[in-house]
Amino acid sequence: EAGVAQSPRYKIIEKRQSVAFWCNPISGHATLYWYQQILGQGPKLLIQFQNNGVVDDSQLPKDRFSAERLKGVDSTLKIQPAKLEDSAVYLCASSLLLAETPLEQFFGPGTRLTVL
Amino acid sequence: QKEVEQNSGPLSVPEGAIASLNCTYSDRVSQSFFWYRQYSGKSPELIMSIYSNGDKEDGRFTAQLNKASQYVSLLIRDSQPSDSATYLCAVTSNSGYALNFGKGTSLLVTP
Repeated sequence: EAGVAQSPRYKIIEKRQSVAFWCNPISGHATLYWYQQILGQGPKLLIQFQNNGVVDDSQLPKDRFSAERLKGVDSTLKIQPAKLEDSAVYLCASSLLLAETPLEQFFGPGTRLTVL
Repeated sequence: QKEVEQNSGPLSVPEGAIASLNCTYSDRVSQSFFWYRQYSGKSPELIMSIYSNGDKEDGRFTAQLNKASQYVSLLIRDSQPSDSATYLCAVTSNSGYALNFGKGTSLLVTP
């Protein structure tokens, strides 16, 4: 079974530039998550989708971050404009449709973003 | 933001010893608890989940949960150098299933 795919793996940009990350979840996984992991910290949820609807985006800095999941499969996360403090690894995870008990989340390899 | 607290370490144990990793959480309605292992430069990998009070064993790993004390731990028996990694504690509440992570504990197993 193929895992969660993410691209690019690395990205270096100047502050105030824009950047986009792509995620393809495991086939059949209805729930998709984007996490931000700053060096030395645990991952922090940015946004959670179920199919193509947003379940939780309370920690997404909406003035500069946006995300979409068209057709309930692939997802893109965009930052515009980027700030120095956005330097982090952006992790995508997916799980089966939410049920009565939480399901295992499978993480992709992540995109390491450096903002100069 | 509900807190998940872990000692950042590093925790150093000799090969073959038991490594004990601890985690406390502040949200009393937390229902599900997970331990993830993260090697340097890699993404988190689930190693244990626990939902009810008590112990849960899987191979060399044992997760322990005490909801009254809001405490969850992970024991690794017969520690190996390959266990050297950062161990992340994660908790979910009943408001959704997104994971709330601690900062992680760095474990070093020395030969």
